[in-house]
Amino acid sequence: AQSVTQLDSQVPVFEEAPVELRCNYSSSVSVYLFWYVQYPNQGLQLLLKYLSGSTLVKGINGFEAEFNKSQTSFHLRKPSVHISDTAEYFCAVSDPGNQGGKLIFGQGTELSVKP
Amino acid sequence: EAQVTQNPRYLITVTGKKLTVTCSQNMNHEYMSWYRQDPGLGLRQIYYSMNVEVTDKGDVPEGYKVSRKEKRNFPLILESPSPNQTSLYFCASSFSRGYGYTFGSGTRLTVV
Repeated sequence: AQSVTQLDSQVPVFEEAPVELRCNYSSSVSVYLFWYVQYPNQGLQLLLKYLSGSTLVKGINGFEAEFNKSQTSFHLRKPSVHISDTAEYFCAVSDPGNQGGKLIFGQGTELSVKP
Repeated sequence: EAQVTQNPRYLITVTGKKLTVTCSQNMNHEYMSWYRQDPGLGLRQIYYSMNVEVTDKGDVPEGYKVSRKEKRNFPLILESPSPNQTSLYFCASSFSRGYGYTFGSGTRLTVV
């Protein structure tokens, strides 16, 4: 069964510093990959996704992620974070063959941006 | 505005009292799904639907029912809620399997 591992449960960072949130997945077959953000008391919002093609994916709010098939990783990056980026971030994987399009989520990474 | 609307946002109920959490999407999406989010366990799929009258179990379906009589609505029914169903519930919809889900704002359910 597929699994997703987010390597850091909490990432504290200062405002305007770069950040990388790490995500590894277990499957070596074709997958769809996603990053979601959850602000307090809100639902999950899609940041970006990788389906195929270019391994560097750009998303909303200045975030980007790089798909690395050999390392089965999909790390999320932002060159300069803002206080408003403080939230929980979830990496998710989906099997293209899964009927219901089920997402398998990682445990989440709490990003805390300090002034 | 394109969105998934869940109601209620917060609900406190007693063990055994049937309840329904409604979910509606205005994007004409084929796929809809229910997830629950629990500390330490993350997000897990309860049920999903690929189209009207087509539903199937996810990873944690016990104690839940769903129906998809119309494309836009996908209610979650707890026939006899128990305290272990205390959780944060999310409804989500998607245009297709690879499109990524749009999530509702969540329903925080407490069963006492």
